[in-house]
Amino acid sequence: DGGITQSPKYLFRKEGQNVTLSCEQNLNHDAMYWYRQDPGQGLRLIYYSQIVNDFQKGDIAEGYSVSREKKESFPLTVTSAQKNPTAFYLCASSIGLAGVNEQFFGPGTRLTVL
Amino acid sequence: AQKVTQAQTEISVVEKEDVTLDCVYETRDTTYYLFWYKQPPSGELVFLIRRNSFDEQNEISGRYSWNFQKSTSSFNFTITASQVVDSAVYFCALSEVWTGANNLFFGTGTRLTVIP
Repeated sequence: DGGITQSPKYLFRKEGQNVTLSCEQNLNHDAMYWYRQDPGQGLRLIYYSQIVNDFQKGDIAEGYSVSREKKESFPLTVTSAQKNPTAFYLCASSIGLAGVNEQFFGPGTRLTVL
Repeated sequence: AQKVTQAQTEISVVEKEDVTLDCVYETRDTTYYLFWYKQPPSGELVFLIRRNSFDEQNEISGRYSWNFQKSTSSFNFTITASQVVDSAVYFCALSEVWTGANNLFFGTGTRLTVIP
């Protein structure tokens, strides 16, 4: 089945620790995205990548880092510099620009900082 | 300023009732796209519809219909004869071509609960 997988589903982290969220897609999409969702809020864009080895900051990139070494994979690292990392993180991909094309989303990772 | 406003935070309806979810947007761009996504309890968003700013035709897909009115900057979503499976959070989103169309501005969502 084609789709996007995110792991883990739930993640707990101690303050001061970096943590990496996994995102893999087998849809052969060029573009991949990371969003953050807080309770009662819409999604906010953290980072996006339109092509391998290239990525751009979104609206709330501070405290996060990404890499795009393979087309299928777009991991997100939440660093200790992120002041309030507890949130629901969604990965998405699209065949082209997110603003024009349908995005396909993964099931999300819920990160809780203890 | 919010680019997309979904004023209805939560709506509850009884099964088989019709329900309309409101979406009001704000943009200075003449070329833009509007989307609706559904987020069921499982968490992943599901694409429902995309509409570009030059296409004001209303659309119907089964029990779903969308009313796009540029004059009022609205893109409302109606579910006819609602079912329990329609219970979810629904997001309206906007993209602006002049900013590169890489970013979607999401509203805060409307949580719909359909009571059996």
